[in-house]
Amino acid sequence: GQSLEQPSEVTAVEGAIVQINCTYQTSGFYGLSWYQQHDGGAPTFLSYNALDGLEETGRFSSFLSRSDSYGYLLLQELQMKDSASYFCAVREGANNLFFGTGTRLTVIP
Amino acid sequence: DTAVSQTPKYLVTQMGNDKSIKCEQNLGHDTMYWYKQDSKKFLKIMFSYNNKELIINETVPNRFSPKSPDKAHLNLHINSLELGDSAVYFCASSPRGRANSPLHFGNGTRLTVT
Repeated sequence: GQSLEQPSEVTAVEGAIVQINCTYQTSGFYGLSWYQQHDGGAPTFLSYNALDGLEETGRFSSFLSRSDSYGYLLLQELQMKDSASYFCAVREGANNLFFGTGTRLTVIP
Repeated sequence: DTAVSQTPKYLVTQMGNDKSIKCEQNLGHDTMYWYKQDSKKFLKIMFSYNNKELIINETVPNRFSPKSPDKAHLNLHINSLELGDSAVYFCASSPRGRANSPLHFGNGTRLTVT
């Protein structure tokens, strides 16, 4: 089976940096992804890590440590529009993507 | 526009009814999925289809049946609807066999069973 744990809620100030953690337990592992979902919207892809280390895409970065079964999403220069739910997701096979419990990020002025 | 589209956007129905949700993608992807998102926002995979072949089914009741007439379509049929089926259902697609390929989601169908 699979288990992906995230904090349920995070609040941060506009302009600040926030880190959203994800710990996982899976029988197979083909990479860790992150998705963003605004209220009433569809999940949209943010990043993917297959190997250990940091991947940077603009204001967003994602980190993976396979030995620790741990990853995080780092959001810098927070904007009000970043208020959304963020999900980590693990591939167990080429076509199996399992999502974490989700973290609701609230950005305050 | 290239996209994953699903209809209807909202579906309100009574217990015991049978309903269908349609999904189409014009991205040329080989694999399509159905996810269920409950009121706590948990996203759970229900099915995935690869070239018309069901490849996973995550303990979904057999009242739910996916039907794929071709590679671009994956419809979801639900029989004898129950209150607990109320949720948002998302269709998604991705290229086959590429672990780094993101899923492209439709905008969801909010199903309410009364």
